[in-house]
This record gives sequence, structure tokens and C-alpha cells, in this order.
Amino acid sequence: EVKLVESGGGLVQPGRSLKLSCAASGFSFNDYWMGWVRQAPGKGLEWIGEINQDSSTINYTPSLKDKFTISRDNAQNTLYLQMSKLGSEDTAIYYCARAPGADYFDYWGQGVMVTVSS
Amino acid sequence: DIQMTQSPASLSASLGETVTIECLASEDIYDILAWYQQKPGKSPQLLIYDASSLHTGVPSRFSGSGSGTQYSLKINSLQPEDFASYYCQNGLSAPRTFGAGTKLELK
Repeated sequence: EVKLVESGGGLVQPGRSLKLSCAASGFSFNDYWMGWVRQAPGKGLEWIGEINQDSSTINYTPSLKDKFTISRDNAQNTLYLQMSKLGSEDTAIYYCARAPGADYFDYWGQGVMVTVSS
Repeated sequence: DIQMTQSPASLSASLGETVTIECLASEDIYDILAWYQQKPGKSPQLLIYDASSLHTGVPSRFSGSGSGTQYSLKINSLQPEDFASYYCQNGLSAPRTFGAGTKLELK
């Protein structure tokens, strides 16, 4: 069974950094692109970015490129999202997802809430 | 970047009815389009990929069609579990943007 479990969320002060993790199991992690999507409260889905199997290609949505960094550790079957200079606009549920060929997400984690507030 | 315009933003329908949701891309995306369903408090679930291919386990009352810049998701004979939000996604190139979503509500 494909399983994706996000962790690392919580309450963080404006301007601070936070690193999310996504533990993958039930499939061969190093065979897949992976990605991050977020959803602000009551809003739609926002694509954050993606990373290919060997981390040689990483793409971001332009507005987040200087704030967020996606990485992965294939030995640990874990995907990461490093977030910096956080503001209230970054308050959202963050999902990790598996992408068979980068073009769509076939499995999603349950999401982790990040709240940016003083 | 490719923009995805989804319509309608909300839709009210009855059980057993058939509904259609539209998605317009700002440029040709060559059928590289996905549709997702999201229920309140849950993660999105893939319904359709490559514009018309049904994901594993998705009921056959869901279907996708379209080409070029215009795509649609059709749900036949609405069931209680179908009342949810739906999103399209550009899969052709990064950033792989989502449409703004359609909230399907029970009339």
C-alpha cells in the first residue's frame, strides 16, 4: 500500500524557517518524481514544486522559488520541504504527493498544517 | 506559465443528475491534464489523468474529455459521495498549475 506521511508542521513565527518531511512507504521511492502542494484555509490547491528521482531536476512555482527548497533522501525514502522567511500568507495545509511521470499526482499524503503567526 | 480557468466555481445538482465541469488552459496542453476530487478535511484524490484515462478504482460514471486548450469532467448519475470539490491541473509543464476549483453541492 502506498503511504505518504507528512510531519514537521505547527505554529511558527513570521520570518522564521520550518522544514517539513514526507515519509514514503509501499513503493520504490527512488523510481518516482515527488512534489508538494499547499492549500490555504478555505482556498484552492497551489502547486509548490517537484523533484525528480535523482534530484537533478527541481522545479518551483515562481513566487516561491526564493523561499522554498525541495530535496529528497532516497536512502531514507523521505521528501523534504525547507521553508524560509515565512509569512502569514504561507499558512496552509501542505501535502506531499507522488508523481508517476511528473505530470500528475496519483497518491497524496494526509497533509500537515503550518500556521504562521506571532 | 500556463493558466487554468475552471468553471463554474460552484454547482448545485440533485442525486442522479449528470454534471459537467470545464477547464480552459491558456495554451495547448496536449491532453496532459488531470482531474482531482477533494472532500472536506481530506486529501485530493486523482480521478482522471491524460485528460481521459480513469485512475485505478475510480467509478466509471466519471469521465474526462477534451483536447488542445479545452477540457471537461463529466459525472453521470450523481451519487451522495460525489458532492465534493473538483480541480483540474495542467500537467504539461512546470509550474503545473491547478484550476481554482469547482464546489459541487447537493440541491
